[in-house]
Amino acid sequence: AQTVTQSQPEMSVQEAETVTLSCTYDTSENNYYLFWYKQPPSRQMILVIRQEAYKQQNATENRFSVNFQKAAKSFSLKISDSQLGDTAMYFCAFMKHAGNMLTFGGGTRLMVKP
Amino acid sequence: GAGVSQSPSNKVTEKGKDVELRCDPISGHTALYWYRQRLGQGLEFLIYFQGNSAPDKSGLPSDRFSAERTGESVSTLTIQRTQQEDSAVYLCASSFSVQLDQPQHFGDGTRLSIL
Repeated sequence: AQTVTQSQPEMSVQEAETVTLSCTYDTSENNYYLFWYKQPPSRQMILVIRQEAYKQQNATENRFSVNFQKAAKSFSLKISDSQLGDTAMYFCAFMKHAGNMLTFGGGTRLMVKP
Repeated sequence: GAGVSQSPSNKVTEKGKDVELRCDPISGHTALYWYRQRLGQGLEFLIYFQGNSAPDKSGLPSDRFSAERTGESVSTLTIQRTQQEDSAVYLCASSFSVQLDQPQHFGDGTRLSIL
């Protein structure tokens, strides 16, 4: 079974600064996908970024980038130039190859301060 | 519709009652997923549908939980004889297919409160 661990229950960052959210996972699979989802108070889960395990290049989406370390089973999210609208819960998630369910971590609550 | 739609948005009911939660996926999405999110926790997978078929029901917490999907569209999650431990947000997601590269798009969820 896969497990996803987010060791930071809460984090805060000043507006315009950079913050990194941590995620580690455990799996025996070799091919899989990793995701970061954002959940604002509206409850909707919004896909932020995703990474295919077979790709060595780290995924980037505008201000969001990941540091994917496959050997260490680590998948951290870096948010650059933080904005007030980035305030939300952030969930790291795993999907195994040919699987369907997402396995989520416990989440990190991020507060961006003006 | 433009996104995944769930109804009701909020549901309060008494312990022991049955509840039915509805999910309208994005048009054309063949895969549909149900998750549960307890307060302050991550999402817990319940069940998924490929078309109208649910190949894996092992995530359902108990036999009080059931789900169905008709016409490769709307899905309903039914909880019978509700218990206080069932209180949570129930989130539905859909994707174009179950292929690995197809992202899941989530609805806003139904907040279920059992008194």
